[in-house]
Amino acid sequence: KAGVTQTPRYLIKTRGQQVTLSCSPISGHRSVSWYQQTPGQGLQFLFEYFSETQRNKGNFPGRFSGRQFSNSRSEMNVSTLELGDSALYLCASSLGDRYHEQYFGPGTRLTVT
Amino acid sequence: AQRVTQPEKLLSVFKGAPVELKCNYSYSGSPELFWYVQYSRQRLQLLLRHISRESIKGFTADLNKGETSFHLKKPFAQEEDSAMYYCALMRTGTASKLTFGTGTRLQVTL
Repeated sequence: KAGVTQTPRYLIKTRGQQVTLSCSPISGHRSVSWYQQTPGQGLQFLFEYFSETQRNKGNFPGRFSGRQFSNSRSEMNVSTLELGDSALYLCASSLGDRYHEQYFGPGTRLTVT
Repeated sequence: AQRVTQPEKLLSVFKGAPVELKCNYSYSGSPELFWYVQYSRQRLQLLLRHISRESIKGFTADLNKGETSFHLKKPFAQEEDSAMYYCALMRTGTASKLTFGTGTRLQVTL
């Protein structure tokens, strides 16, 4: 079974720009969660989508948004990028029940200059 | 709000020595606790969860609700155990939303 894939793997953007990151879950998984990982704050939950609906949300500003498509692929968007948005963005997929394991992707490294 | 604390950034032990990675949490309800591991140049992956009560790769963890702790233990460390370990908590009713600790790097030396 193919694992969770994320594209692109690396990205460099300028302050003020916007960016879209993509996550393809494991086949059959309906839940996709997004996390931001930084040296200072560690791993922080952004949001989770299940069957195209946002089911859980973390404490991030509205500049961070996401969506999920009918094939369970998910995208997250960050608008008006700030230097502090530089991070590794991880997505994880699961079958969606609390008892199901989450499988993480390799991450997208975003650098904002 | 829930919180997960891993007090040690780095834990260095000799091969064959016992390992204990500390994790404390604060949450008023009944949490579900996990340990995730990230080996060098690999993805974050689940090591074990408290409801399973399993021993994975020789590691065990017991949920102590009185001390609000979920320490990860292994009696004899191996070189291949060197990795980054994260403790995580899931609140009741929030499937898939994990709150992570800051992680502990375990270094096993000969």
